[in-house]
Amino acid sequence: GDSVTQMEGPVTLSEEAFLTINCTYTATGYPSLFWYVQYPGEGLQLLLKATKADDKGSNKGFEATYRKETTSFHLEKGSVQVSDSAVYFCALSDRNQGGKLIFGQGTELSVKP
Amino acid sequence: GAVVSQHPSRVICKSGTSVKIECRSLDFQATTMFWYRQFPKQSLMLMATSNEGSKATYEQGVEKDKFLINHASLTLSTLTVTSAHPEDSSFYICSARPEAGATSYEQYFGPGTRLTVT
Repeated sequence: GDSVTQMEGPVTLSEEAFLTINCTYTATGYPSLFWYVQYPGEGLQLLLKATKADDKGSNKGFEATYRKETTSFHLEKGSVQVSDSAVYFCALSDRNQGGKLIFGQGTELSVKP
Repeated sequence: GAVVSQHPSRVICKSGTSVKIECRSLDFQATTMFWYRQFPKQSLMLMATSNEGSKATYEQGVEKDKFLINHASLTLSTLTVTSAHPEDSSFYICSARPEAGATSYEQYFGPGTRLTVT
């Protein structure tokens, strides 16, 4: 079945460092891909999305490109801030699965001043 | 836009009692809502898919008689944990999928409900 694999955390960076969180997926159809962010004690917020190959999603300085050839959707940000500390979830939604979201295991990011 | 609320945000109940959690889409209509459970430091586990006006579809291993789901309108779904036990203590999160988002299947999440059963 469909699945999502993220790099393991926790990831600890200094403020203004470059961030990459790797995400790869397997899917039988043509999924939409998402990054969600969860701050402590809260629900998930949609950070960005891409619905087809080569689409780039971007928001708040974060971006990710839908790469069909490598089945990847890596999250990047050029300069992280302390306020970016959170757990980041990569997810896919496949029409063949009734549109359910399938999540990766989450990657905890901690940004130190 | 695309705001989802949950109520209550925290609840403590005694073992054997039932607890109802509400999930509302505030500024859009949602034919489909989802209920997830999240354990500490873990990802979200889909419990069930709730469709307005029809019975919920439960994931394998989720007891439908224990976790009662009702999707009474296009903006409200409820999860009732019946005869709660300490092992039901968890963080419950709902999400809603807008009608207009059907092409990408994005979901918008509520803030979660922390359930503690004593």
